Amino acid sequence: SAVISQKPSRDICQRGTSLTIQCQVDSQVTMMFWYRQQPGQSLTLIATANQGSEATYESGFVIDKFPISRPNLTFSTLTVSNMSPEDSSIYLCSGGGADTEAFFGQGTRLTVV
Amino acid sequence: AQTVTQSQPEMSVQEAETVTLSCTYDTSESDYYLFWYKQPPSRQMILVIRQEAYKQQNATENRFSVNFQKAAKSFSLKISDSQLGDAAMYFCAYRSLFQGGKLIFGQGTELSVKP
Repeated sequence: SAVISQKPSRDICQRGTSLTIQCQVDSQVTMMFWYRQQPGQSLTLIATANQGSEATYESGFVIDKFPISRPNLTFSTLTVSNMSPEDSSIYLCSGGGADTEAFFGQGTRLTVV
Repeated sequence: AQTVTQSQPEMSVQEAETVTLSCTYDTSESDYYLFWYKQPPSRQMILVIRQEAYKQQNATENRFSVNFQKAAKSFSLKISDSQLGDAAMYFCAYRSLFQGGKLIFGQGTELSVKP
């Protein structure tokens, strides 16, 4: 399966600032997904990103807080905006389509202080 | 909406023994995929095994096998000859054929392996 390089692997950020997480795939993928994993919890889908269209957000997540870019079929970014301690989580990107295996980046451990 | 439930927050197994992790799900769809993912402390999500709902035969991958009971909406994972490297968080996940590939995860089961 394809490989996703996710950066940064971890960061400590001040509240009120923003962090952009990048995912680079080594091959073209139709769909990319962004998940949040709060401490000790499962993965929750934030949004689905398709190239050339706005991301589709799940209930409870909004574009102003988690803007996503998908400029081409191998790259996507997620920005966590105006951060608060409640945003401290692991963020994971994933790639794949309805008929292909999902594969994941290494995750970004975000701590907001 | 689909849901996935893992009722065992923690499990423990002796090295070389067998352990079964439970998963139930709820859906009104007849065709879908089910997965087990492993997440070690490195955070990397690793696909363990996959089951297509239309297949009656249970999937197997080396020491890993599933017991897929479609009518009961149950999807358990059996790990045989457990190894220390199997210690991780295990997530059961559901994927619809009609929702673009997104995954719905269970709460996870933390598996520890005792030497």
